[in-house]
Parts: sequence; structure tokens; C-alpha cells
Amino acid sequence: AQSVSQHNHHVILSEAASLELGCNYSYGGTVNLFWYVQYPGQHLQLLLKYFSGDPLVKGIKGFEAEFIKSKFSFNLRKPSVQWSDTAEYFCAAAGRGDYKLSFGAGTTVTVRA
Amino acid sequence: GAVVSQHPSWVICKSGTSVKIECRSLDFQATTMFWYRQFPKQSLMLMATSNEGSKATYEQGVEKDKFLINHASLTLSTLTVTSAHPEDSSFYICSAGTTLSGVREQYFGPGTRLTVT
Repeated sequence: AQSVSQHNHHVILSEAASLELGCNYSYGGTVNLFWYVQYPGQHLQLLLKYFSGDPLVKGIKGFEAEFIKSKFSFNLRKPSVQWSDTAEYFCAAAGRGDYKLSFGAGTTVTVRA
Repeated sequence: GAVVSQHPSWVICKSGTSVKIECRSLDFQATTMFWYRQFPKQSLMLMATSNEGSKATYEQGVEKDKFLINHASLTLSTLTVTSAHPEDSSFYICSAGTTLSGVREQYFGPGTRLTVT
């Protein structure tokens, strides 16, 4: 079965700290991978996506993610977080050629000033 | 491009009444749209896949007679929550599928917060 797992349920860190959120997927074939962010009380926004090519993907707001095929992973990183990065982060995957997304459970990130 | 809107953004209704939520793709056509439900502090749960001109495909455990989905055109899908109860209170999110980026991808609407009193 297709699935996405996010390792961390809740991450708390201070401003300027580095952030890395784990995401692993289980799919039978080639996948498209996504990271979304949902700020408190707001709607889902796309941070970045990977379809093919360079496995290091840069997104908005200084986020990046690295696709490691051998590890079935697509971890999200940010070198220096800000208080405004406090949000819920979701990893998602879809089979290549498929619309249907599988979402991870999400990681709550709390950045303390 | 690839903007998806939802209306209303929030709605309060009384128990036993029905409420309709619209999802529109504003600048592209979408043969496939999706409806999700999200409870506080939880992930998105896919409710159904809406296909233009045909019946929606519901996920296991989702009552199709309670959550009526109509995909009447290539830019509009509606979700009607019939005989709503307080446990139906949730955040409902739609998305529209397109290959604007060259691959199949979903674009999400801003969501509709439903409160049933």
C-alpha cells in the first residue's frame, strides 16, 4: 500500500536554529513528492515539490528538500528558522501519472522567539 | 495561474440542515477534483474523488449519501453535507487536478470551515 510517514510529531526549536523534518514514502513505482505548510488558522500552501531531475529542491521561504531514492526519503530543511515558521508541515506523495496524494500525519513546528 | 477558490470560506448551520460548498478552478479546467476533510491538528483525509460528468469515487468509510458530490462542469465541483450534525463540523478542503506543470498535480483551495450547531 502507498503511504507516507513523517517521523516527528512535534518539533520545538528556537529562532535561528536549523530545522530538518523527516519524510519517508512507500510506493511501488516512481513518485512525485511534495511538502506543504499550513500556518495557524490558514489554508494549505505548497512549499516545494519534486518530480525529477536535481534531487535537491529549493522552495519558498528558504526551505529546501532532498530526494534520496535509496532511502525513500524526502526530508525538508531550513538552515535558520524564524518565529513565523511556526506551522504544521505535511509531506505528500503521488505515483507518477496519478493525481491521488497520500499525506503524512504532519509535523507541528513551534519556533520560540 | 492554477488558482482554486472555495465558497463559502466559513459557514455555520443548524443541526439537520444541509450545506453546499463550492470549489472552482478559476484559470484552468479540471476533469478531476478532490474533497478532503481536516480535523484540528490532524492531516488531510481524502473523502472522495470527483470526476466531471460521472459519479464521484468515495473513500472507504465516507457516506456517499451524506456527502453528495457533483462535478457539473470542468471548473466546478460541489460538496453538499446533508442533514448535518455537530460531528460533521470540520475544515473541508478541495483541490483540482491539472497537468499545467507538465505532470499531474493537485492545486488546493483555501478551505471551508463548517460549524454545525
